[in-house]
Amino acid sequence: GEDVEQSLFLSVREGDSSVINCTYTDSSSTYLYWYKQEPGAGLQLLTYIFSNMDMKQDQRLTVLLNKKDKHLSLRIADTQTGDSAIYFCADASGNTGKLIFGQGTTLQVKP
Amino acid sequence: DTEVTQTPKHLVMGMTNKKSLKCEQHMGHRAMYWYKQKAKKPPELMFVYSYEKLSINESVPSRFSPECPNSSLLNLHLHALQPEDSALYLCASSQEGSKNTEAFFGQGTRLTVV
Repeated sequence: GEDVEQSLFLSVREGDSSVINCTYTDSSSTYLYWYKQEPGAGLQLLTYIFSNMDMKQDQRLTVLLNKKDKHLSLRIADTQTGDSAIYFCADASGNTGKLIFGQGTTLQVKP
Repeated sequence: DTEVTQTPKHLVMGMTNKKSLKCEQHMGHRAMYWYKQKAKKPPELMFVYSYEKLSINESVPSRFSPECPNSSLLNLHLHALQPEDSALYLCASSQEGSKNTEAFFGQGTRLTVV
């Protein structure tokens, strides 16, 4: 079946850039998503990328997609303490809207 | 407005109780979802409603019963739950149920079964 994998933990200093990586197995993926989850909260859609794009930039967020290697990354520039959260990569499965999530990367931002 | 509203935020129920979780969106979305999230795990899909019809049931036990009264509302009826059903229940909606739509999530209902 389809699978999405992420590293579990990333620690950075405030002001540095953060890069969160994700790999997926579904070769027919057309849209890939990044969600943020703060403690005790729901999921916030941060951004998404369409498979015919290599890069998408949205303010401090940059998404890079390497479709050949099935590798997705999220770069957060000038990381702030408010960016501390769990970040989920997700792939839409089939034509149903079902999302397959990675395990989530906990981002810790140190002052 | 990209808001999905879930009530209640917290729920504690006994194993013999019957309760319902509610979800509402006013974005005109025609697909609505229930996900279950255990602690330190990613969300897992339970049900999908598309145009008010159940389109996916991910082999969820019958003690969970979804209902979609209209295009804006989604309920999850709970009966005879087990302690292992304690989790964060997340509702989401999207324009339609396909690969190409962004899903927006509510803040979730944190359920504790005692």
